[in-house]
Amino acid sequence: ETGVTQTPRHLVMGMTNKKSLKCEQHLGHNAMYWYKQSAKKPLELMFVYNFKEQTENNSVPSRFSPECPNSSHLFLHLHTLQPEDSALYLCASSQVSGVNYEQYFGPGTRLTVT
Amino acid sequence: ELKVEQNPLFLSMQEGKNYTIYCNYSTTSDRLYWYRQDPGKSLESLFVLLSNGAVKQEGRLMASLDTKARLSTLHITAAVHDLSATYFCAVDSGAQKLVFGQGTRLTINP
Repeated sequence: ETGVTQTPRHLVMGMTNKKSLKCEQHLGHNAMYWYKQSAKKPLELMFVYNFKEQTENNSVPSRFSPECPNSSHLFLHLHTLQPEDSALYLCASSQVSGVNYEQYFGPGTRLTVT
Repeated sequence: ELKVEQNPLFLSMQEGKNYTIYCNYSTTSDRLYWYRQDPGKSLESLFVLLSNGAVKQEGRLMASLDTKARLSTLHITAAVHDLSATYFCAVDSGAQKLVFGQGTRLTINP
């Protein structure tokens, strides 16, 4: 595997379900990110992790719960979601050093909440 | 709060023509990124612009950054169909937080 991978690629869940999204980066980076991409809104940053520590929570509802067990893996735990949470969820990673924080994105998980 | 605006949001052009996408942002930053997204796919990094006056070129695409004007441009030369995609600029607002523009959906017709 190379780059940033995400599983599953597609997920349909009911509002009472609990599911998790997984992200893995194979780039040796030390920062990981979750973004939400909705149909008619710009890409929104949700969470930032540096060296496994959460450094940013962009006012995300508590029904989204991130977990970063190590610098290579990032999870997004989902529970009691709403239909408006249907979106493409993108994971990204970057190196935190120097001046270039270029982020590399995974393929995304297309989430549909019914 | 940093705001990033792209224009146009939709652009339909003919092959062989030249055009420019503009990215304006509201507060000081000297790091700006351009990404490409194909339908149903993820974001692919195109350019990293790290200083005032930076210019980068790759094939038919050229990006520039004017930090004083808070403006970046993505210029397309002699467009070809393969360049059809949505293009995003993203500005670093500090602490690794990227703020994205709305995206420009580019369609290139034969």
